[in-house]
Formats: sequence, structure tokens, C-alpha cells
Amino acid sequence: KNEVEQSPQNLTAQEGEFITINCSYSVGISALHWLQQHPGGGIVSLFMLSSGKKKHGRLIATINIQEKHSSLHITASHPRDSAVYICAVRGTSGSRLTFGEGTQLTVNP
Amino acid sequence: SQTIHQWPATLVQPVGSPLSLECTVEGTSNPNLYWYRQAAGRGLQLLFYSVGIGQISSEVPQNLSASRPQDRQFILSSKKLLLSDSGFYLCAWSADSLYNSPLHFGNGTRLTVT
Repeated sequence: KNEVEQSPQNLTAQEGEFITINCSYSVGISALHWLQQHPGGGIVSLFMLSSGKKKHGRLIATINIQEKHSSLHITASHPRDSAVYICAVRGTSGSRLTFGEGTQLTVNP
Repeated sequence: SQTIHQWPATLVQPVGSPLSLECTVEGTSNPNLYWYRQAAGRGLQLLFYSVGIGQISSEVPQNLSASRPQDRQFILSSKKLLLSDSGFYLCAWSADSLYNSPLHFGNGTRLTVT
């Protein structure tokens, strides 16, 4: 079992839909990162959180430390949101991040 | 503002040839630096990280090596490439430990070993 599991692996939505991507992890963590990888390969850091909830524009990230679970929500989705979304966790020691395998999101117009 | 430069963007190399990928960061000092590899359809794998000049930690034993000759320069090398070295290589930096600061990625190098 991977330390970081993302679901779904693939997600197709219509423009305007509310989207949720889930991330579950099995180890104690000090931080969780959500990343966005565009079709060309470039990766952008969306959020880094260790508790609660963060919001940036149409993106919302939440984390429940007790349940070892995080969600990334996209409101009013748009075709430009199409990308791979990656969850990564940092354990309680060391500099290493453990990555999920990503969720491929496609938003159709 | 801080920027990260990684080159080349694409590279096709024959098996057995050497490799040198370079990454530089501007606008910050003493960053933590990372080399990741992403094989086709797979997640990111940490190859090396560095917390300072000359300090390199290797996560995965293989025929690759990394060096940090200057504070904001990180180089990934190989003396003899293997077919299995093909993949997408990403350099990244963070201001300090990944508990306190986000990760910033370069645009990546797509390496094909033929």
C-alpha cells in the first residue's frame, strides 16, 4: 500500500462543476502539499497546509489530521483547470516528500 | 522575486553517453535544492536533495550523481546513461524545510535515452 493514495485517478467534468480530489496518507505528517502539473510538465505549488483549510481563488484545500485525509476542491471548474493534481506529504522528520501518483483532471467546455 | 532556471528543456542522448543537467535559483540564498524524476505515468521520485554547498543526500542508489558547486546551482550528472534513465527530471527549491515553505519547481527536462 502506498503511503499516499489519491482518488480518483482520473476525473472528467463539465465546465462549471464542483470538483473534489481526495488524498489519504498513512504516516504522521508535518505538512501536506497540493501541486498542479500542467500538460507541458511544469509543476506549480498550490497549497501547503498542516491543519484546517486554505482558499485561493476558486481552489480550496482542507486537511483532517486525525483522519489522515485531505481534499482539494475546485469551484466553478474551467477547461484551464485541466491538469494533474498531486498530493505530497512531509513526514515528521527529514526533508523528504512522499508523493501520490496524481489525479488527471479534464474539464470539458 | 525568486526564479528557478533549468536546462535543457529536452534532451535525446544515446545509451552510454554522459549527462549534465543544470539548475540555478535566483533571488534567494541558501535554498534547499532537490532533483526529482518522473517516469511516464508514475509519481515524482526524489533523487537528491541538498541543504547547502557540497552537501548532497542521495535517496535512490543508481548511476546518477548530483553536485552543488555554488549556493544556488545544482547539477545532475551521469557518466554513462542507461535506457532506464529516460524520464522527466525536475529541479526544485524551498526556502527551508518543507514544513515551513512551499516547493518551487523548474520547468523540467525531458530526457530520452536511445
